[in-house]
Amino acid sequence: ETGVTQTPRHLVMGMTNKKSLKCEQHLGHNAMYWYKQSAKKPLELMFVYNFKEQTENNSVPSRFSPECPNSSHLFLHLHTLQPEDSALYLCASSQDWAQYVTQYFGPGTRLTVL
Amino acid sequence: AQKVTQAQTEISVVEKEDVTLDCVYETRDTTYYLFWYKQPPSGELVFLIRRNSFDEQNEISGRYSWNFQKSTSSFNFTITASQVVDSAVYFCALSERRETSGSRLTFGEGTQLTVNP
Repeated sequence: ETGVTQTPRHLVMGMTNKKSLKCEQHLGHNAMYWYKQSAKKPLELMFVYNFKEQTENNSVPSRFSPECPNSSHLFLHLHTLQPEDSALYLCASSQDWAQYVTQYFGPGTRLTVL
Repeated sequence: AQKVTQAQTEISVVEKEDVTLDCVYETRDTTYYLFWYKQPPSGELVFLIRRNSFDEQNEISGRYSWNFQKSTSSFNFTITASQVVDSAVYFCALSERRETSGSRLTFGEGTQLTVNP
């Protein structure tokens, strides 16, 4: 595997389910990000991790819970979601969190909440 | 606050036409970085280019070229001789310096480009 991978690619869940999204980067990067992309809206940054430490939580509801066990893996745990949480969830990584670094994105998980 | 505006929501062209995607940004930073990403139907954002605020030279990469004009706060992207495979959503982004969390990308709303055969 190369680059940034995400699983699953598609997920349908009910509002009472608990599920997790997984992201793995094979680039040797130290910073990882979760973004939400809803229809007709710009990408929204959700969380930032730098060297496994969470450095930003962009006012995300607690029904989204991130976990970063090491610099290569990032999870997004989901529970009691709402239909408006349906979106494409994108993971990204970068060498570190300096201003000039490029973020590299995974293919995303298309989430549908029923 | 940082802001990126891509005024063209959708553009439709016929194959082999040239097309320019506009990007205008606002920032108070003196040092900043601009990016373009491509998002094909598969969903992944593909990195195309990064430019810093001190380098106003235009850049060409194959059929792609970028025109950075600091005086007008614009960073436009031109595809020459467009192809059907260029059909995608294109995002312009601005890197913002933050004291507590390094940097943060501010994205425009994207331009959907459709290239018809």
